[in-house]
Amino acid sequence: GQQVMQIPQYQHVQEGEDFTTYCNSSTTLSNIQWYKQRPGGHPVFLIQLVKSGEVKKQKRLTFQFGEAKKNSSLHITATQTTDVGTYFCAGPGWNSGGSNYKLTFGKGTLLTVNP
Amino acid sequence: EAQVTQNPRYLITVTGKKLTVTCSQNMNHEYMSWYRQDPGLGLRQIYYSMNVEVTDKGDVPEGYKVSRKEKRNFPLILESPSPNQTSLYFCASKERGQGPHTIYFGEGSWLTVV
Repeated sequence: GQQVMQIPQYQHVQEGEDFTTYCNSSTTLSNIQWYKQRPGGHPVFLIQLVKSGEVKKQKRLTFQFGEAKKNSSLHITATQTTDVGTYFCAGPGWNSGGSNYKLTFGKGTLLTVNP
Repeated sequence: EAQVTQNPRYLITVTGKKLTVTCSQNMNHEYMSWYRQDPGLGLRQIYYSMNVEVTDKGDVPEGYKVSRKEKRNFPLILESPSPNQTSLYFCASKERGQGPHTIYFGEGSWLTVV
């Protein structure tokens, strides 16, 4: 079945340093989504990328979707303590019958920021 | 305010005692889903529903049941809970289709089975 792999599993940075997490899918994706989960919280939808090679920015966050639509990255410039949390990517797919909608998550990257 | 509401938020129960975790959304979403989150394993989909009376298994459905009798509600049923079902559970909903639809998660339900 579809697999979504994410690296690194953990990343500790000093405040002000940059951070990047990478996501790779075993299959070509129609789109990819990114989520953030604060410690003790629930996943919060950040963005969805649809087009091959797409790049989107949200303030200090830059999201990229690979040309082959099998990989993606999230880059945070000049991290702040408010960026702490786990960042997940997720790729949609279809079940074996081809009739329904599934969402497979990567295992996430836990970002900690030292002030 | 757009909301996905889960109850209970915290529960300790004993092996074999049937329990239901309720999930309700106020956005008229057709698609709803349940996930469990475990350390080192991330979020795994248990069941999902494309619409009323339409449900299907996710990646880890064993030991769980769901029903979708109304659009807004999608309860998760553990008929005979076991300790390996101790986990953090999330319900989620979104509009149908693969468009850029925001997926909304509930705040989570911590379940401990002893």
